[in-house]
Amino acid sequence: EVQLLESGGGLVQPGGSLRLSCEASGFTFSSYAMSWVRQAPGKGLEWVSSISSFSGSDGSTYYADSVKGRFTISRDNSKNTLYLQMNSLRAEDTAIYYCALSVPAAIVGSYYFDYWGQGTLVTVSS
Amino acid sequence: EIVLTQSPGTLSLSPGERATLSCRASQSVSGNYLAWYQQKPGQAPRLLIYGASSRATGIPDRFSGSGSGTDFTLTISRLEPEDFAVYYCQQYASSLTFGGGTKVEIK
Repeated sequence: EVQLLESGGGLVQPGGSLRLSCEASGFTFSSYAMSWVRQAPGKGLEWVSSISSFSGSDGSTYYADSVKGRFTISRDNSKNTLYLQMNSLRAEDTAIYYCALSVPAAIVGSYYFDYWGQGTLVTVSS
Repeated sequence: EIVLTQSPGTLSLSPGERATLSCRASQSVSGNYLAWYQQKPGQAPRLLIYGASSRATGIPDRFSGSGSGTDFTLTISRLEPEDFAVYYCQQYASSLTFGGGTKVEIK
């Protein structure tokens, strides 16, 4: 059974940093692309970032324009863990952050999201 | 960026009725790279449909997807009590974007 468990959320001041983790189990982590998708309180879904599988483009990364230059996605296949380093946080980054097992399409950097974790809440406020 | 517009915003129906949800793209979605997700309150989204019309693993056949180009539809043939939720479409042909969602509520 695929399981994705996010952690690392919390309250942070504007301009601060936070690192989210997503521990995966129930599948061969290194063989799959992974992504982060967020949802602001009471709002819809927004793709944040994706990273390809180890066996694919060896860790190619993709970012939404809204987080490019501030967020960094990475993975540690030895620990079956996905990360999201978030710097220069803004109030508009407040959201539940989900990690998702991602299935690639025939276009580079294109994915849909097959399995989702339960999310971790990030609140950016002074 | 491809903008997805979902309609209606809210659909009020009774159990047993048919639900038809629309997702319209601002430009053609190549390869029919369109997915649908269901989200219930306090839960993570769940994949229903990918490739515009392929059901994900374990999804009941009362859920079906159709469409191509810029117009896509999710149909729930007969609503079950557990189907009342918010539904999102997502395109993955050009970057990744989601629609704003359609809430299916009990009438």
